[in-house]
Amino acid sequence: SQQGEEDPQALSIQEGENATMNCSYKTSINNLQWYRQNSGRGLVHLILIRSNEREKHSGRLRVTLDTSKKSSSLLITASRAADTASYFCATDPRGSNYKLTFGKGTLLTVNP
Amino acid sequence: GAGVSQSPSNKVTEKGKDVELRCDPISGHTALYWYRQSLGQGLEFLIYFQGNSAPDKSGLPSDRFSAERTGGSVSTLTIQRTQQEDSAVYLCASSLEGRGLSTDTQYFGPGTRLTVL
Repeated sequence: SQQGEEDPQALSIQEGENATMNCSYKTSINNLQWYRQNSGRGLVHLILIRSNEREKHSGRLRVTLDTSKKSSSLLITASRAADTASYFCATDPRGSNYKLTFGKGTLLTVNP
Repeated sequence: GAGVSQSPSNKVTEKGKDVELRCDPISGHTALYWYRQSLGQGLEFLIYFQGNSAPDKSGLPSDRFSAERTGGSVSTLTIQRTQQEDSAVYLCASSLEGRGLSTDTQYFGPGTRLTVL
């Protein structure tokens, strides 16, 4: 079964609004990463948060991690039409230092 | 510098034929990964190479799938006797080291879209 599960499966917002996507996972992790994918092709790494971190920022992105709840959230502020993409969380379970497990993703649509 | 490249970008083949997918990782990256993504799904791990170590093939779905990495750089994923369920996007990624206390950032190629008729 999937280690990471994103929620919601799809999200549609207006340009300028904030978008929040959530990810839940099952086992203890070393870190959690968020990736973006345009048009079903290559993934672009967005941000990595380690298990001992609670929050991280990168530009308009804010990621939180709650290891007690085994969940993470990705917030995109002041969204733009160009943010339209699928967003995936990926975890590497403890005991594995390379094998990422991806969820099915959240499809974000930002309407101009 | 150049990112991860994959070829071909699209491949249409007939059921039963063999296909080879190629991946050129980022120069200097010792770790290389293959994933498969079926329509509307997340990525499924297939195989991992790290330097000269034996690859982790635990994700390969059947013995029709094999991969090799020559000279620690270019990798080829081969699917023999393709089936319709093999249709997917095959993504390659590389990372600087792929070992240590936790996972490196993986850099993905654009993928090869395989369609088996």
